[in-house]
Amino acid sequence: GAVVSQHPSWVICKSGTSVKIECRSLDFQATTMFWYRQFPKQSLMLMATSNEGSKATYEQGVEKDKFLINHASLTLSTLTVTSAHPEDSSFYICSARTDPNTEAFFGQGTRLTVV
Amino acid sequence: AQSVTQLGSHVSVSEGALVLLRCNYSSSVPPYLFWYVQYPNQGLQLLLKYTSAATLVKGINGFEAEFKKSETSFHLTKPSAHMSDAAEYFCAVSNNGNEKLTFGTGTRLTIIP
Repeated sequence: GAVVSQHPSWVICKSGTSVKIECRSLDFQATTMFWYRQFPKQSLMLMATSNEGSKATYEQGVEKDKFLINHASLTLSTLTVTSAHPEDSSFYICSARTDPNTEAFFGQGTRLTVV
Repeated sequence: AQSVTQLGSHVSVSEGALVLLRCNYSSSVPPYLFWYVQYPNQGLQLLLKYTSAATLVKGINGFEAEFKKSETSFHLTKPSAHMSDAAEYFCAVSNNGNEKLTFGTGTRLTIIP
């Protein structure tokens, strides 16, 4: 099946700094990528949907200025957590698909810890 | 609005025993339903999905799930558990087959030798 890779798998950063997480589709062109967040013992919650070459669509309650999403190419989307705080510590997962009629494939996730 | 409830955050079964992971959904439109599996340090992998065709859906690794509209359920089963089935399982619902998914909280399956 198609492969989606996230980098890094885990990251620890200091409060107030920014962290960038990459999501790459390795063997297909991802027109759309989704970013999810999962807090401990909770569901995966969709944060935003990004289409290549256009601005991301954020879900209600997600701060677009804090979670910057860039989808500049058909194989790469990035999520930047700006001015991270301990409450941003979570598991972030991306998924990617070619078009609306195809399955979305998930990355392995990135565990962010803000200290 | 749509939601998914997975009963039991942890389920343990003996190797060779029946696996039953429960999922109930709420949706205002005919739902698309999914089961995903996540092994440690790996991404979510699609096990199976229901898209309004046959109510009994067969997936990979011997898993299957039955859509029961009257019970708003989509429970996942496997007749005989294998050690390699130990993982986290997520049920999800969508009102369109490939649009945004709403996930349950997940069920961690442990297999007892």
